Amino acid sequence: ILNVEQSPQSLHVQEGDSTNFTCSFPSSNFYALHWYRWETAKSPEALFVMTLNGDEKKKGRISATLNTKEGYSYLYIKGSQPEDSATYLCAPLRNYGQNFVFGPGTRLSVLP
Amino acid sequence: SQTIHQWPATLVQPVGSPLSLECTVEGTSNPNLYWYRQAAGRGLQLLFYSVGIGQISSEVPQNLSASRPQDRQFILSSKKLLLSDSGFYLCAWTVGTGYGYTFGSGTRLTVV
Repeated sequence: ILNVEQSPQSLHVQEGDSTNFTCSFPSSNFYALHWYRWETAKSPEALFVMTLNGDEKKKGRISATLNTKEGYSYLYIKGSQPEDSATYLCAPLRNYGQNFVFGPGTRLSVLP
Repeated sequence: SQTIHQWPATLVQPVGSPLSLECTVEGTSNPNLYWYRQAAGRGLQLLFYSVGIGQISSEVPQNLSASRPQDRQFILSSKKLLLSDSGFYLCAWTVGTGYGYTFGSGTRLTVV
């Protein structure tokens, strides 16, 4: 079973603050990694699909980086807004043909 | 465009009763289909996945079962619910390995 860790488990930031959190996974046989945002009372929504070492993806104020050699991905949020409050899930995939394994998530609360 | 429907949204069932949750996908053919569960305080756990009609793979042994009677229909069932079956169930689909998931709206199941 793929061991996926996310840190911190939860955090509270003030509106306007920038923040980042980490997804760690075994680096061997890496195939792809997804980031999802899961807002309360909604479905998880795909943010990024990352496949290459050194990948950097950006969507508005949110960006992500990937290091497949050391087995981690960072998600950054610049100038956090209350609507960014959600649980952020990472899901790496090891080996084509297998299934993604979701991390436990980082729960972000942005205080106005 | 592709859409995914999942129902019911909430369900309260007594211990020992049967369960049937249904998920349908529109606008695509031969999707990969998934059932996930989030138990209280835990991450998303893959329960079942299917790559085609009648093809079901189970990730976690338990008293749940899944079926795919049609290409775009995925059903999660139980003959006798346990208290430990309580949780939030999500159906998801993807076009293939490595692609992002699209999730349904989820079913909150409470077994009493």
